[in-house]
Amino acid sequence: KQEVTQIPAALSVPEGENLVLNCSFTDSAIYNLQWFRQDPGKGLTSLLLIQSSQREQTSGRLNASLDKSSGRSTLYIAASQPGDSATYLCAVNTGTASKLTFGTGTRLQVTL
Amino acid sequence: NAGVTQTPKFQVLKTGQSMTLQCAQDMNHEYMSWYRQDPGMGLRLIHYSVGAGITDQGEVPNGYNVSRSTTEDFPLRLLSAAPSQTSVYFCASSYLGGGATDTQYFGPGTRLTVL
Repeated sequence: KQEVTQIPAALSVPEGENLVLNCSFTDSAIYNLQWFRQDPGKGLTSLLLIQSSQREQTSGRLNASLDKSSGRSTLYIAASQPGDSATYLCAVNTGTASKLTFGTGTRLQVTL
Repeated sequence: NAGVTQTPKFQVLKTGQSMTLQCAQDMNHEYMSWYRQDPGMGLRLIHYSVGAGITDQGEVPNGYNVSRSTTEDFPLRLLSAAPSQTSVYFCASSYLGGGATDTQYFGPGTRLTVL
């Protein structure tokens, strides 16, 4: 059974810092991995999707990497801003009818 | 293009009552699914559908029923609500259904409390 772990569970950084969020998964047979952002009381917004054949994806200040063989992904946020404060979730798609297995998330707070 | 919509946003039920959570998407997506989110447990898949008339169980299907009569709609029914079903429910949809480029889109959620 696929299990997804995110470390740390919570993180507080001052504005302007670069930071890395970690995601690990137990079964390397995945189709893709998605990073989501969730604001309090809101739904999930897709940030980046990395296909199993890719090593990384970039969108603006966000860069996600994937090492399928070791079961790890990282989300790098450059020059963090208070507006980046949210919970970040990673989810892996094992290809069985698009079923996603989620981690429990990292709650990020960026302070002024 | 409204994306994935869910109603209601909030609901309070008494134990034993039944209700239907509505989900609709206007992106012509074949794949739709329901997740519940509980503190410290991440999102867990309840039921999913790969097209009209086709549904299947996810990780935590007990106490829930679904049907898919149209591509656009995927309602989730609670037959006899229990306090353990207090949670936030999310509906999601995607186009390819399992492909490597398959991005899933989520609705805003329904916060359900069962007393």
